[in-house]
Amino acid sequence: DGGITQSPKYLFRKEGQNVTLSCEQNLNHDAMYWYRQDPGQGLRLIYYSQIVNDFQKGDIAEGYSVSREKKESFPLTVTSAQKNPTAFYLCASTPGGQNSPLHFGNGTRLTVT
Amino acid sequence: QQQVKQSPQSLIVQKGGISIINCAYENTAFDYFPWYQQFPGKGPALLIAIRPDVSEKKEGRFTISFNKSAKQFSLHIMDSQPGDSATYFCAARGGANSKLTFGKGITLSVRP
Repeated sequence: DGGITQSPKYLFRKEGQNVTLSCEQNLNHDAMYWYRQDPGQGLRLIYYSQIVNDFQKGDIAEGYSVSREKKESFPLTVTSAQKNPTAFYLCASTPGGQNSPLHFGNGTRLTVT
Repeated sequence: QQQVKQSPQSLIVQKGGISIINCAYENTAFDYFPWYQQFPGKGPALLIAIRPDVSEKKEGRFTISFNKSAKQFSLHIMDSQPGDSATYFCAARGGANSKLTFGKGITLSVRP
């Protein structure tokens, strides 16, 4: 079955450590996105990539970095510069086009203590 | 400035009742309005979507009503079931900004 795989489902890190969240899709979608979800805050866009080797900052990119070396993969690194990293992180993809729906993975819950 | 606003913040409905969730937007360039449903521990999934050239779209028990002049759209869930208990997000996209802008989401609880 095609879909988006995010791993791990739960991740625990100590403050000051960088951590990388994995996102892999086998849908052959061109565009990929990272969102952060906090209670009462909805979904906020961190970074997005519309083609390989290119990506743009979203609304809350500070303290995060991404890469897009392969079409299928869009890993997100949460750096020590992110002041409040504990959150639920969602990866999504879309084939592109004006009304293409976003397909989401099942998220990674990151807890930093 | 929040471009897409949802109301109410939470909703409790009895089984068999109608659930109504409202969304208001500000950017008149928006031309695609989806609703996403999210169960705990899962990613959101597209439920239903509408473009502003129609005023209503129905898929099973789910209906979107769209009011372009008021810049509002709403999700109606008929014959609500406990399995509909989830978080619902409205969103909008269009114009120069092709990214989806999400509302903050509302939690729907359907009591048996």
